[in-house]
Amino acid sequence: KQEVTQIPAALSVPEGENLVLNCSFTDSAIYNLQWFRQDPGKGLTSLLLIQSSQREQTSGRLNASLDKSSGRSTLYIAASQPGDSATYLCAVRMREAAGNKLTFGGGTRVLVKP
Amino acid sequence: SAVISQKPSRDICQRGTSLTIQCQVDSQVTMMFWYRQQPGQSLTLIATANQGSEATYESGFVIDKFPISRPNLTFSTLTVSNMSPEDSSIYLCSVVRQAERGYTFGSGTRLTVV
Repeated sequence: KQEVTQIPAALSVPEGENLVLNCSFTDSAIYNLQWFRQDPGKGLTSLLLIQSSQREQTSGRLNASLDKSSGRSTLYIAASQPGDSATYLCAVRMREAAGNKLTFGGGTRVLVKP
Repeated sequence: SAVISQKPSRDICQRGTSLTIQCQVDSQVTMMFWYRQQPGQSLTLIATANQGSEATYESGFVIDKFPISRPNLTFSTLTVSNMSPEDSSIYLCSVVRQAERGYTFGSGTRLTVV
């Protein structure tokens, strides 16, 4: 059974500092991995999607890496801003034969202080 | 990516009553899912909504408590039946299109049972 862990559970940084969020998973036979952002009481916004064959994806200040063999993904947010304050979730999708379910990590709650 | 309209965005309900949540997608999608997020927790899959057949429920979730309809490829409903305070959560629908391979989530329904 796939298990996804996110460390740290919470993170507080001053504005301008780079953010590093970690995600680990136990079963490396993944189809892809997706990073989401969730604001309090709201739905999920997709940030980046990394296919199992890819090593990284970039979008603006965001960069996500994937090391399937070690079961790890890292989300980097450069030059953090107060508007980046939110909970960040990683989710793993297994290969088609194992169904199309997403397994979520517990999330990292980020606070960027002005 | 798909655009999802989820209603209501929030509700406060009396225990013992039922609430039906609607999820409308702007285009046909094969796979639709319903998730629950309890306070301070990550997301847990309730069921996969299948068009033209009964939903597929995850362990710990039953049809009598969470009946789901999927009359066509763009619409689904989730009913939370005979509610208790323990049902207070955010409920989210999600879809995935084969071509995109990434999941899109609705804005969520914040349910409080008193």
